[in-house]
Amino acid sequence: EDQVTQSPEALRLQEGESSSLNCSYTVSGLRGLFWYRQDPGKGPEFLFTLYSAGEEKEKERLKATLTKKESFLHITAPKPEDSATYLCAVQPGGYNQGGKLIFGQGTELSVKP
Amino acid sequence: NAGVTQTPKFRILKIGQSMTLQCTQDMNHNYMYWYRQDPGMGLKLIYYSVGAGITDKGEVPNGYNVSRSTTEDFPLRLELAAPSQTSVYFCASSLDGTMEAFFGQGTRLTVV
Repeated sequence: EDQVTQSPEALRLQEGESSSLNCSYTVSGLRGLFWYRQDPGKGPEFLFTLYSAGEEKEKERLKATLTKKESFLHITAPKPEDSATYLCAVQPGGYNQGGKLIFGQGTELSVKP
Repeated sequence: NAGVTQTPKFRILKIGQSMTLQCTQDMNHNYMYWYRQDPGMGLKLIYYSVGAGITDKGEVPNGYNVSRSTTEDFPLRLELAAPSQTSVYFCASSLDGTMEAFFGQGTRLTVV
């Protein structure tokens, strides 16, 4: 069964304190792994897509990496405006999957000044 | 360019009532999706569509129906509302089945 697990469920950091969020997955043929940011009361906002093991993507203070079993979202010197819930999702490969995403439960990040 | 627009933003239904959640996108995307998000559970796929006239069930389709008569619109129908359908509903679209999905702002539905 395709499954995505994110850890930790919640993470509290001081401003400037770097850390990483984990996304472990089991999927039948990975087509892509997606990271989204979700602010309270809003829809998920796309951050990154990773397609193959060893791939890395960066955007400002965020860096996403991918292995065959997990992905990490590294946050370097975070600021309070980075506070949000970060969602990881995998897109199974194979015929007739329709581009659907399987989401983890999210990591709620809080960055205090 | 509005992206994905959902209406209404909030709604309270009584058990047994029906309603339609509206979703429209102006990006000419072929693929559209409906997800529901419950606290601590992540987003679950309800239905999806790969183009006008084509729809298919996702992970949690029971109690819902969809139609896709145009590329732009993908309404979600609840026929007999139940408390278990209390959730936040998100519509999303993507250009094809490999690209990132863009999400609407959500509809918060409460069934009492």
